[in-house]
Amino acid sequence: QITLKESGPTLVKPTQTLTLTCTFSGFSLSTSGVGVGWIRQPPGKALEWLALIYWDDDKRYSPSLKSRLTITKDTSKNQVVLKMTNMDPVDTATYYCAHNRGYSYGFSFDYWGQGTLVTVSS
Amino acid sequence: DIQMTQSPSSLSASVGDRVTITCRASQSISSYLNWYQQKPGKAPKLLIYAASSLQSDVPARFSGSGSGTDFTLTISSLQPEDFATYYCQQSYSTPYTFGQGTKLEIK
Repeated sequence: QITLKESGPTLVKPTQTLTLTCTFSGFSLSTSGVGVGWIRQPPGKALEWLALIYWDDDKRYSPSLKSRLTITKDTSKNQVVLKMTNMDPVDTATYYCAHNRGYSYGFSFDYWGQGTLVTVSS
Repeated sequence: DIQMTQSPSSLSASVGDRVTITCRASQSISSYLNWYQQKPGKAPKLLIYAASSLQSDVPARFSGSGSGTDFTLTISSLQPEDFATYYCQQSYSTPYTFGQGTKLEIK
């Protein structure tokens, strides 16, 4: 059974760096084709894809946020970490991590964490 | 980035109705199109992947079709638990962009 859970601060100040951790179980990020992605959703708005890291350490970022994002993995701990610098109130959102199944399944996200709401405010 | 446009943005329907939601990509994405259902306060749930493949444990009343730039999600007979927001997502090239969502409400 695959599970994912996001953790990190619920409140950050403008200009600070946000660090979110996705801790997962039921799969290995060293398995060929597998990835973990981050998606966010501002209150009442649509989903926004942020970043994705694959089993082979290939990293992909949203071009509009690339300068602010860093995604890393720790295979031994079953964790993926997302860092976002220079936080702004417009970054207030629920942040999700999700399991990506790779080519055979159309690179779809089949399992999602419950999400964590991050508020940016002074 | 590939832009994904869903229509309609909102839809009112009754239990038992047949409903179709469309999604258009700004360029060809082959069959790299996924559909998700999201209920308030919950994470999205994968319904359809690769345009027409039904995710396991998803009821057969959900179906997807299309390729290239035009795609549809069809619910053959709406059930009370289907009232939610639906998103399409392209996974042809990163960033794997989402549509703006279609909110399906009870008439």
